[in-house]
Amino acid sequence: DGGITQSPKYLFRKEGQNVTLSCEQNLNHDAMYWYRQDPGQGLRLIYYSQIVNDFQKGDIAEGYSVSREKKESFPLTVTSAQKNPTAFYLCASTEGRMNEKLFFGSGTQLSVL
Amino acid sequence: KQEVTQIPAALSVPEGENLVLNCSFTDSAIYNLQWFRQDPGKGLTSLLLIQSSQREQTSGRLNASLDKSSGRSTLYIAASQPGDSATYLCPQTGANNLFFGTGTRLTVIP
Repeated sequence: DGGITQSPKYLFRKEGQNVTLSCEQNLNHDAMYWYRQDPGQGLRLIYYSQIVNDFQKGDIAEGYSVSREKKESFPLTVTSAQKNPTAFYLCASTEGRMNEKLFFGSGTQLSVL
Repeated sequence: KQEVTQIPAALSVPEGENLVLNCSFTDSAIYNLQWFRQDPGKGLTSLLLIQSSQREQTSGRLNASLDKSSGRSTLYIAASQPGDSATYLCPQTGANNLFFGTGTRLTVIP
């Protein structure tokens, strides 16, 4: 089945530690996105990539970094500079543009120890 | 700033009832519109996609309409079932982003 796989489902971060969230898709989509979801708030865009080796900052990119070395993979690193990392992180993809059908992964819950 | 307002914030209905969820946008420059559902602790699932040239879209018991002139969209769910219980979201589509509200949390009581 085609889809988006996020791992791990749950992740714990220690103080000062960088952690990386994985996102893999086998839909052959060009564009991929990372969103953050906090309780009682709407999803907010962290980073997006419309093509391999290119990515753009979203609304809340500070404290995060990404790479897009392969079309199917778009990992997100939560760095120690992100002081409030506890949230539910969602990865998504579209075939090309944002106004096409958006597919989401099942999410990663990140918590701070 | 683009904002999305969804009314009501929460809704409980008995099984079998027809219901309407509402969505309004501050920016009338709407590209396409997608309605999503999200189950607790899960990702979002796309339900319907209304292209900018369309006014409505139907899938099974779901019908979504879009009025670009007023910046409003509605999702009609017919003959609701307990499995419809979820949070429903209707983000506004920008050029490179989706602007999300907090959604409508629907509970269908058996």
